[in-house]
Amino acid sequence: DTGVSQNPRHKITKRGQNVTFRCDPISEHNRLYWYRQTLGQGPEFLTYFQNEAQLEKSRLLSDRFSAERPKGSFSTLEIQRTEQGDSAMYLCASSGVTGDTEAFFGQGTRLTVV
Amino acid sequence: RKEVEQDPGPFNVPEGATVAFNCTYSNSASQSFFWYRQDCRKEPKLLMSVYSSGNEDGRFTAQLNRASQYISLLIRDSKLSDSATYLCVVKGGSYIPTFGRGTSLIVHP
Repeated sequence: DTGVSQNPRHKITKRGQNVTFRCDPISEHNRLYWYRQTLGQGPEFLTYFQNEAQLEKSRLLSDRFSAERPKGSFSTLEIQRTEQGDSAMYLCASSGVTGDTEAFFGQGTRLTVV
Repeated sequence: RKEVEQDPGPFNVPEGATVAFNCTYSNSASQSFFWYRQDCRKEPKLLMSVYSSGNEDGRFTAQLNRASQYISLLIRDSKLSDSATYLCVVKGGSYIPTFGRGTSLIVHP
């Protein structure tokens, strides 16, 4: 499967715990995006990498959130001290070198904080 | 004002109907435009790009009006399988896709 892969697909955690999600983009794509989506809303931008460089972060990304893309390949999104409001679908997308190409999404990680 | 605005609907139409969605965007420097489709509890998938001259893909037609800063999607001869949420997507100079909240379409027999 050469699409965008996200793991895990589902995560249930207790409030206050840390969680980490992984995204493997399409191999030749240098741009990688993280989004959060809640029920009835469109995906909200969190952060963006071009290769290993994190070029932009949304103000939605509080200091409890951190993202990395250490070798310009896979990426991780960590949420520390989870809160119930963090419950959402976390989507990863990747796109190619040309900025105006489409973004391909992974199936997402659904986080439930109890 | 949100960067990309859509009427959330739902639009409830019978099979065979023609339905149109609009989307407005606030950044006049936006450069690329797309419509994505999202099925319930699935990831968004590209439906079609939107070009300045307008473009058609089978039953789907997309149009862009830069002067008024809106894009539209027209679906002709609606099928039951068209039931989904349609997301308007705009890219500015940084090429970060910005999504609207989506418009829900329900096609009934």
